[in-house]
Amino acid sequence: DAKTTQPNSMESNEEEPVHLPCNHSTISGTDYIHWYRQLPSQGPEYVIHGLTSNVNNRMASLAIAEDRKSSTLILHRATLRDAAVYYCIRGSQGNLIFGKGTKLSVKP
Amino acid sequence: GAGVSQSPRYKVAKRGQDVALRCDPISGHVSLFWYQQALGQGPEFLTYFQNEAQLDKSGLPSDRFFAERPEGSVSTLKIQRTQQEDSAVYLCASSLGAYGVYEQYFGPGTRLTVT
Repeated sequence: DAKTTQPNSMESNEEEPVHLPCNHSTISGTDYIHWYRQLPSQGPEYVIHGLTSNVNNRMASLAIAEDRKSSTLILHRATLRDAAVYYCIRGSQGNLIFGKGTKLSVKP
Repeated sequence: GAGVSQSPRYKVAKRGQDVALRCDPISGHVSLFWYQQALGQGPEFLTYFQNEAQLDKSGLPSDRFFAERPEGSVSTLKIQRTQQEDSAVYLCASSLGAYGVYEQYFGPGTRLTVT
């Protein structure tokens, strides 16, 4: 199965860091790890992607385990606007195979 | 700047009717994808275009679903003889590069309700 494993839901407090885990134990050597998020009533939005090394951008950081069987999306300071469903996706081709994702709630 | 747009945003169809959903990708984007998202689920891939060529239609659920992108820009997803199980949000995404690892930009989706 090409889908990844994520917790159904997580809660965070505003302005605190959030670590969203993802397991992809059957990942192949050419598969990238992608993260997208979807706010209510909107299409998914790209967050970050990586292959082997940890990655940083303006939105988040992606920490990839050395064996690549798991990864963690890190939001450094959660805001109320970060409340969304976060999808961890593995793939090397264009089409994305989404799972159910993790619903992140952010408390003020 | 202009993102991916889709129309209509909402469509109600009676069972058995044909519908056409439109996607306007970001100008210059080579790749275009269609996804179907049922309530409470993640999006499911339907089909992929590279310019005007439909390179992958493995996700289309039945031969009632048809997609085209005749000039390599605007795309239309057509569903013939709609059924209740077709009720979903249909998402379009485009990306700059050809088949590969590129950031996909999604439209807001068209919510189809079949009654």
